[in-house]
Formats: sequence, structure tokens, C-alpha cells
Amino acid sequence: EVQLVESGGGLVQPGGSLRVSCAASAFTFGEYWMTWVRQAPGKGLEWVANINQDGGEKHYADSVTGRFLISRDNTKNSLYLQMNSLRVEDTAVYFCARRYYDILTGWHTDFDYWGQGTLVTVSS
Amino acid sequence: DIQMTQSPSSLSAFVGDRVTITCRASQGISDDLAWYQQKPGKAPKRLIYFASRLQTGVPSRFSGSGSGTEFTLTISSLQPEDFATYYCLQHNGYPFTFGGGTKVEIK
Repeated sequence: EVQLVESGGGLVQPGGSLRVSCAASAFTFGEYWMTWVRQAPGKGLEWVANINQDGGEKHYADSVTGRFLISRDNTKNSLYLQMNSLRVEDTAVYFCARRYYDILTGWHTDFDYWGQGTLVTVSS
Repeated sequence: DIQMTQSPSSLSAFVGDRVTITCRASQGISDDLAWYQQKPGKAPKRLIYFASRLQTGVPSRFSGSGSGTEFTLTISSLQPEDFATYYCLQHNGYPFTFGGGTKVEIK
């Protein structure tokens, strides 16, 4: 069964940096777009970033552009989110998710599998 | 950016009720819409993709409809395990955007 397991969350001071990771298994990781979605405590879901299969195409939410960097290592079946210049409002559970590949259209679409999330707390 | 307006933000219903949740897109998104269910402390679970396709393993009481700017998630007969928060997601254009969520509570 497809598994996505996030790690690396924790407490960091405002202005600090943190890298969260997502380990993938039971599917051919290098064939899928991947994504990060976050959820602040008691709030809704917010898309953060997407990365294509070889890491050559990336997209970011305006709220993190210039501060966060999405990357991947297909040899390790791993997805990463490097978070710099962290703000209190970046406090959230960070989920990684796989983008669904529709065989009929050849498109990568929404998110079919999700990890359990890792909590990042930005506080002094 | 494409805004997704989800309504209602919360609702109370009895077991067995028919429940309808709506998402409106600020511009046409074809059928590039998915619906997710989330329970407290858990990851979202995909219910519907391409606006109306039922995810494998999801009960048939869930259905989705719509195209363009108006979309609906319907639960035909609410079950105890359906009490949760529901979100729509548009993936037609960047940035991807979620609706604000609908919390379905027991009446």
C-alpha cells in the first residue's frame, strides 16, 4: 500500500530554518508529481508547493515564495521542504501528498495519497 | 488566483439526512475539482475527483456533480462515520486553492 511518512517537524524560533522530509514507499516515486499542504491549528487546508517528477518544475504559494524550497531525491524516494525565515504564521501541520496520475488523460491532478503530517511550531 | 467559496461553513444534521455542500469557483475550472473528508487529527481522505468520479473504496452514498464554477458534494444518507469536515480543492491553475471547509455535526 502507498505510504507517505513525514518527519522533521518541531519548535523553531521566528526567523529560523527547518527542513521537513517525506519518505515514500510502495509506488514508483520518480513517476509522480508531489506536493506539500499545510494546516494551521484549527484552520483549513492551504496548498504550499508542488514539484514535478525530476524536480525541474516547482510551484509555490505566494505566502511562502522566496522563503520555502521544495526538492526531492528520487534515489531515496524522499520529498523535502526547506523552510527559511520562518514566521509565527507558518505554524501548522505539514502534509506531503502524491498527485494522482490519470492514465486516460495523461494529467497529474489532485492529491490521492497523504501522509499523516508533521507539526511545525514557530514561536519564541 | 482562483477563489473557492464553500458553503455552508457548518451544518447540523441527523443520521439518515441528505446533505449537500457547495463550492463556487471565481472562474471556470472545468471539472478540475476534488472533495476531501477530514476527521480531527487525521490526514484528509479523497472522496471525489474530476468533480464526479468516486474514489475507490468510498461508499456510494457520496456523490459529486458540477462543472465550470458550481460544484456539489452530496451525502445521500448521512451515517455516524460521516461526521467530519469536508473540503473542495481546485487544481485547474496555480496556486491550487481549497474551499474554507464545511464542518458536519450531529443534530
